[in-house]
Amino acid sequence: GNSVTQMEGPVTLSEEAFLTINCTYTATGYPSLFWYVQYPGEGLQLLLKATKADDKGSNKGFEATYRKETTSFHLEKGSVQVSDSAVYFCALSSNDYKLSFGAGTTVTVRA
Amino acid sequence: DTAVSQTPKYLVTQMGNDKSIKCEQNLGHDTMYWYKQDSKKFLKIMFSYNNKELIINETVPNRFSPKSPDKAHLNLHINSLELGDSAVYFCASSQAGPTGDTQYFGPGTRLTVL
Repeated sequence: GNSVTQMEGPVTLSEEAFLTINCTYTATGYPSLFWYVQYPGEGLQLLLKATKADDKGSNKGFEATYRKETTSFHLEKGSVQVSDSAVYFCALSSNDYKLSFGAGTTVTVRA
Repeated sequence: DTAVSQTPKYLVTQMGNDKSIKCEQNLGHDTMYWYKQDSKKFLKIMFSYNNKELIINETVPNRFSPKSPDKAHLNLHINSLELGDSAVYFCASSQAGPTGDTQYFGPGTRLTVL
C-alpha cells in the first residue's frame, strides 16, 4: 500500500535559518505528491505539489522536487520567518482518491 | 466566501451521546472527504463521496455514518460516542479525479467526549 515517511520533529530554528524537512514515499503507479501546512488552530492548506517526476513545486519561498529515483519529496526554505511556524505534512495521492499523509513535522521559528 | 465550512467548530459531549458534524463546500467539487486527526496530529482518511456515492470507507466503527444529501454537503453522524472518538475531524473536497487533485480542507471540528 501507499505510505509516506517524514522526518520527526519537533524542529526549532532561528529566523533566517535554512529549513529542510525530509519526506520519502512508497507507492504503486505514479503518485502525485503534496506538502500541506497547518497553522495553529487552523485546517490544512496546500503549500505546494508536484504531479510527475522531476517537477518542482514552489510557493511562499518553499520548494520541493519530485525525485522518482530516490522516492523523495523534501521540503526546503532558504530563510524562515516566525510566521512559518506550523505543522507540515507530506502526502501522496495515487489513483484511489485517497491522500496518504506523513506523521507531520512541527516547526517552530524563534525571533 | 468560505470554500469549505464545518459546523460546529467545537463540540463537547458526554459518552454515549449521538452527535453530527456538518460540512459544506461552495467550490463546485465532486468529491468530499472526512479525515480524523488524533492528538499526535496524525491524519487518517475515514470516508469519501464522489457525486453522492460512497467511494472510500476505511476501517471505521459503524457508529460513524456519513451522509451526503447533495454534492455540496457531507455530514458525519456519530452514535454512542466513546472517549476514543475525541479528535479533530476535518472535511475536505476536491474536483473529480482520483489523483493529482488538490484537496481543500475545512477549519476542523474539535470533538471532546467526556
